[in-house]
Amino acid sequence: DQQVKQNSPSLSVQEGRISILNCDYTNSMFDYFLWYKKYPAEGPTFLISISSIKDKNEDGRFTVFLNKSAKHLSLHIVPSQPGDSAVYFCAASVGDFGNEKLTFGTGTRLTIIP
Amino acid sequence: ETGVTQSPTHLIKTRGQQVTLRCSSQSGHNTVSWYQQALGQGPQFIFQYYREEENGRGNFPPRFSGLQFPNYSSELNVNALELDDSALYLCASSLPGTATDTQYFGPGTRLTVL
Repeated sequence: DQQVKQNSPSLSVQEGRISILNCDYTNSMFDYFLWYKKYPAEGPTFLISISSIKDKNEDGRFTVFLNKSAKHLSLHIVPSQPGDSAVYFCAASVGDFGNEKLTFGTGTRLTIIP
Repeated sequence: ETGVTQSPTHLIKTRGQQVTLRCSSQSGHNTVSWYQQALGQGPQFIFQYYREEENGRGNFPPRFSGLQFPNYSSELNVNALELDDSALYLCASSLPGTATDTQYFGPGTRLTVL
């Protein structure tokens, strides 16, 4: 039972344009959502997070939007840069106390075309 | 401040054998979580250790076991290896009481079971 889903295995975007990565979840108990970025031969690196009490969180070029009624979140990267090429994982947890089990999606490989 | 390290980087075993994977936590972190990432999938939670005690377990059989030591380093042991155990094994350390986004992942150990 895939509780966190990323339906696009891959996405290609021109440098300078906006990249939009999508994620859906089914477990209504999830109240904290995170995006991780993963380069080959490295572990996932935290990118940005959002609590269920918010609908938007912004950090520089990265913005995460949460639509609780639709159980959907998205990550916007603008402008996209070649260094953004990586696999992006959406993750969710119940609580945000620092040691919660993370449930991950299957990832979206983002390729930025120069 | 040192990051999370894992050893070995790669490992090849045969079906039925046993394996031990190691993780050194980020300095000051007393919680370690282990995840299994199969090819084309997102990381799946195996279990977590907090102050040397198991503190939550995912849907993995008992042949997956772990240890955490007083210095907070950790081991993941897998007995009676099966072909499906071939995966990237990730550990993540964290410090409870801080936000979830401070789970720091190591680079992983790639296990191949033949």
